[in-house]
Amino acid sequence: QKEVEQDPGPLSVPEGAIVSLNCTYSNSAFQYFMWYRQYSRKGPELLMYTYSSGNKEDGRFTAQVDKSSKYISLFIRDSQPSDSATYLCAMSSAISSGSARQLTFGSGTQLTVLP
Amino acid sequence: DSGVTQTPKHLITATGQRVTLRCSPRSGDLSVYWYQQSLDQGLQFLIQYYNGEERAKGNILERFSAQQFPDLHSELNLSSLELGDSALYFCASSVDSNRQETQYFGPGTRLLVL
Repeated sequence: QKEVEQDPGPLSVPEGAIVSLNCTYSNSAFQYFMWYRQYSRKGPELLMYTYSSGNKEDGRFTAQVDKSSKYISLFIRDSQPSDSATYLCAMSSAISSGSARQLTFGSGTQLTVLP
Repeated sequence: DSGVTQTPKHLITATGQRVTLRCSPRSGDLSVYWYQQSLDQGLQFLIQYYNGEERAKGNILERFSAQQFPDLHSELNLSSLELGDSALYFCASSVDSNRQETQYFGPGTRLLVL
């Protein structure tokens, strides 16, 4: 079983729809949670990161973390064709100062927003 | 544009050969990370350097090695290449090793081994 599971999609929605992207994880040590957006043939772009549980909002994007369920979500409101990309969740654990944290990525969800 | 640069953008080579991929981190970033992205394995962490020293190793093969130079640029060396090494190789950087949540990725090098 992978440490981070993400539905690969593809997910296709009409413009203006609310999109929900999700990841589940098994490692209870994960405390930092990130969402990256990757356009075709480009490098991943950091969208949002959150620490521990709770919600974080940035414009049309909301990241939600439920550590009790080991479940994270990214919501996109008023989706646009320009949001069409692969969305990757990533996680890391908190460790003592001076050491390194590794990012563990989900496999990515391919999203298409239709005009 | 993340500020991380990678060269070359594309690389085509033959099995058994050796290649070097280069990365320049964002200005001020001390940590450099290397990742491999393939269709079947997704984005896999390979290795991290911080201010010239190796800090963490992930799923990096023994045929692969990396280093970070005094000017903080990094190189990933891939040797005895196999068909399965064909993938996208990304470099990312962050300010320090404790701020991995703010890793910024470069555009990647697409490697094709024939």
